Amino acid sequence: EPEVTQTPSHQVTQMGQEVILRCVPISNHLYFYWYRQILGQKVEFLVSFYNNEISEKSEIFDDQFSVERPDGSNFTLKIRSTKLEDSAMYFCASRARLAGDGDTQYFGPGTRLTVL
Amino acid sequence: LAKTTQPISMDSYEGQEVNITCSHNNIATNDYITWYQQFPSQGPRFIIQGYKTKVTNEVASLFIPADRKSSTLSLPRVSLSDTAVYYCLARMNTGFQKLVFGTGTRLLVSP
Repeated sequence: EPEVTQTPSHQVTQMGQEVILRCVPISNHLYFYWYRQILGQKVEFLVSFYNNEISEKSEIFDDQFSVERPDGSNFTLKIRSTKLEDSAMYFCASRARLAGDGDTQYFGPGTRLTVL
Repeated sequence: LAKTTQPISMDSYEGQEVNITCSHNNIATNDYITWYQQFPSQGPRFIIQGYKTKVTNEVASLFIPADRKSSTLSLPRVSLSDTAVYYCLARMNTGFQKLVFGTGTRLLVSP
């Protein structure tokens, strides 16, 4: 069964450093998402991406964040200058069609980001 | 700020039916409501999705009233392996954050 993959599984970085989290969505999917989950809290939406541009973003997704689909398979989340409060689990998800068509998002296993 | 709220936790025994309700007052009119299951240190896993009335699949049922301001996930006969956190996900009509996960319900199934 096809699945979303994410690398690395765990990333440790120093405050102020840039990090890039990588995702490989399911191959025929068209919509891509990033979420984060701070330890012990609920999952929070960050951004959605379709047709090579951001379609929606949350208030969390400020200028420190950016997303890119650099080639036909990868989908990346970049945090330009990490802060302690960016420490969280980051999940990538992909979807084949719009929600109105009754489709669903498939989540990757997550990348645990630790900012020291 | 648009919110989706759920009970923090629920306890059950093996073989019982469990119903978890999510309140989403400002849900968008044209989008589905989705429920996910999450185990520790894993990504959310799709359970069921619906728009209105009742949907049933091999693992759960989903009840959505006509006003769509809430939804109820029903797990018919839970087992120990159903111990997890359950989240609803809906697109909200107000606020900056459009896609909103519920607050999550931690279900503990005991023998």
